[in-house]
Amino acid sequence: NAGVMQNPRHLVRRRGQEARLRCSPMKGHSHVYWYRQLPEEGLKFMVYLQKENIIDESGMPKERFSAEFPKEGPSILRIQQVVRGDSAAYFCASSFGPSTSPGELFFGEGSRLTVL
Amino acid sequence: QQQVKQSPQSLIVQKGGISIINCAYENTAFDYFPWYQQFPGKGPALLIAIRPDVSEKKEGRFTISFNKSAKQFSLHIMDSQPGDSATYFCAATGAGTALIFGKGTTLSVSS
Repeated sequence: NAGVMQNPRHLVRRRGQEARLRCSPMKGHSHVYWYRQLPEEGLKFMVYLQKENIIDESGMPKERFSAEFPKEGPSILRIQQVVRGDSAAYFCASSFGPSTSPGELFFGEGSRLTVL
Repeated sequence: QQQVKQSPQSLIVQKGGISIINCAYENTAFDYFPWYQQFPGKGPALLIAIRPDVSEKKEGRFTISFNKSAKQFSLHIMDSQPGDSATYFCAATGAGTALIFGKGTTLSVSS
């Protein structure tokens, strides 16, 4: 499967724990985007990364959330000290070029975080 | 974030009918307007996209109509089928912004 791979698909955490979501982009793609989806709220942009660089993090909460896309390995979205409001589906997407060019974003199937 | 406003929130259409979903945007620098389709438990997938230099784009039963002066664009699904039942998102990008999505429209096509 050469698509965008996200894991875990489902993650349950208790309040105060850490959540780590991983995303392996499609082969040949060096642009990665993270979106959060809540029911009836659509897809909210969080962060845009290229290898080893954060390009746009304007949608990331200022505290507890961080993202990285190292030279080797998957992109990781990290949520520290999770709260119930963090419960959502987190989608990763990748593209060959930046999303501002008329290229397609390919989405993974999402990681569904439930905070108890 | 720059907004993309989508309506209706939900839509029920008879099989064979026309489904119409509307979106409006604010940022005149946006220059790429895709529509994504999402089935339950899956990630969104690109359906069709348009640039503002054309007023309409058609791919099979799916058509985007674009009105640059009104800053509006819409998706028309002709001969709607039960398999089209999904959530549809409009989106926009340009001028260095990441892809911004509308809140989605849940389409149900009844047989």
